Amino acid sequence: GQSLEQPSEVTAVEGAIVQINCTYQTSGFYGLSWYQQHDGGAPTFLSYNALDGLEETGRFSSFLSRSDSYGYLLLQELQMKDSASYFCAVKGQGGKLIFGQGTELSVKP
Amino acid sequence: DVKVTQSSRYLVKRTGEKVFLECVQDMDHENMFWYRQDPGLGLRLIYFSYDVKMKEKGDIPEGYSVSREKKERFSLILESASTNQTSMYLCASGPPGQGTYEQYFGPGTRLTVT
Repeated sequence: GQSLEQPSEVTAVEGAIVQINCTYQTSGFYGLSWYQQHDGGAPTFLSYNALDGLEETGRFSSFLSRSDSYGYLLLQELQMKDSASYFCAVKGQGGKLIFGQGTELSVKP
Repeated sequence: DVKVTQSSRYLVKRTGEKVFLECVQDMDHENMFWYRQDPGLGLRLIYFSYDVKMKEKGDIPEGYSVSREKKERFSLILESASTNQTSMYLCASGPPGQGTYEQYFGPGTRLTVT
């Protein structure tokens, strides 16, 4: 089967660093994407990792370890506007994206 | 800026009705996708298309069909709406190659079937 596991909720304070983990089990793997979705809004693309290692884009970084079937999204210098749901998604066999259930991040003042 | 628009933000239909959800993108993307989003289940792929007239089943195609007569337009059809199709429907598009991992989403249509 195919499955992605990520925590359902994470809470952190403004200015802190938070890590959202994602483990996956899929038939065929080409890369791991991350999307952000604010309440009532559309998902927006954040990052993609095809190879092992860390990719940094401003305050957000994404990491992948293919041997461990594991990745994470790291958010630094948290701001209130970062409160949203974050989805990991695997590009698997047939080129389709398979999404995790999402992690709801709450940033407190 | 990529723009993906969906025909309705909210829609209420009766059981057994035929329902059309329209999606239009303005970036000349080859790839287009239809998902449904339900609490606790994430986004699940219904159908996708890599080119005009082309369609491929996603993970949950039962009860749905699609049409792609023009590159910019991808329609989702519920042949006979049922209450278990009450959901948020999201359309997405993306360029070839990377478009399968970098997708641009529309605002969604919240469909209620009564």
